[in-house]
Amino acid sequence: KQEVTQIPAALSVPEGENLVLNCSFTDSAIYNLQWFRQDPGKGLTSLLLIQSSQREQTSGRLNASLDKSSGRSTLYIAASQPGDSATYLCAVEDSGTYKYIFGTGTRLKVLA
Amino acid sequence: EPEVTQTPSHQVTQMGQEVILRCVPISNHLYFYWYRQILGQKVEFLVSFYNNEISEKSEIFDDQFSVERPDGSNFTLKIRSTKLEDSAMYFCATRSGQAYQPQHFGDGTRLSIL
Repeated sequence: KQEVTQIPAALSVPEGENLVLNCSFTDSAIYNLQWFRQDPGKGLTSLLLIQSSQREQTSGRLNASLDKSSGRSTLYIAASQPGDSATYLCAVEDSGTYKYIFGTGTRLKVLA
Repeated sequence: EPEVTQTPSHQVTQMGQEVILRCVPISNHLYFYWYRQILGQKVEFLVSFYNNEISEKSEIFDDQFSVERPDGSNFTLKIRSTKLEDSAMYFCATRSGQAYQPQHFGDGTRLSIL
């Protein structure tokens, strides 16, 4: 049974720092991996999608990498800003059923 | 950009009542999903739906729950005889049939059972 873990659970950094969020999964048979942002009480905003054959994706200050064989993905945020404060969720798409399995998230706080 | 639309955004219901959560998928999407997120917990898969039938359901999706696409547009989740523990955010997601395309999520319906 696929399990997705995100470390750290919470992170507090000063503005301007570069940071890395980690996601690990137990079954490498995934279809896609997607990173989301969730503000308190709100919906899921898609950040980056990495297909299983890809190694990384970039969008602005965000870069996500995928190492399927070791069951890991990282989300790199460059030059963090207070507006980046949110919970970041990693989700893997099961290759057989195409359902998403979510991690518990990393709660990020960027201090001004 | 096309969006998945969910209504209502917030539903307050007395315990024991039935609720119907509605989702309008992106046009020409073929695969439909419901997820839920209890406050402070992770997003959990409930059910997937394709070609007018359930493809897979989780252990959460028991006889209390049902899904249908009655008119070919709306995709609904019905919860019968609601319980306090059904209080959660419910997300609808849809996906096209093309390879490696992501699921697109709606903004969610916050369900509060009193």
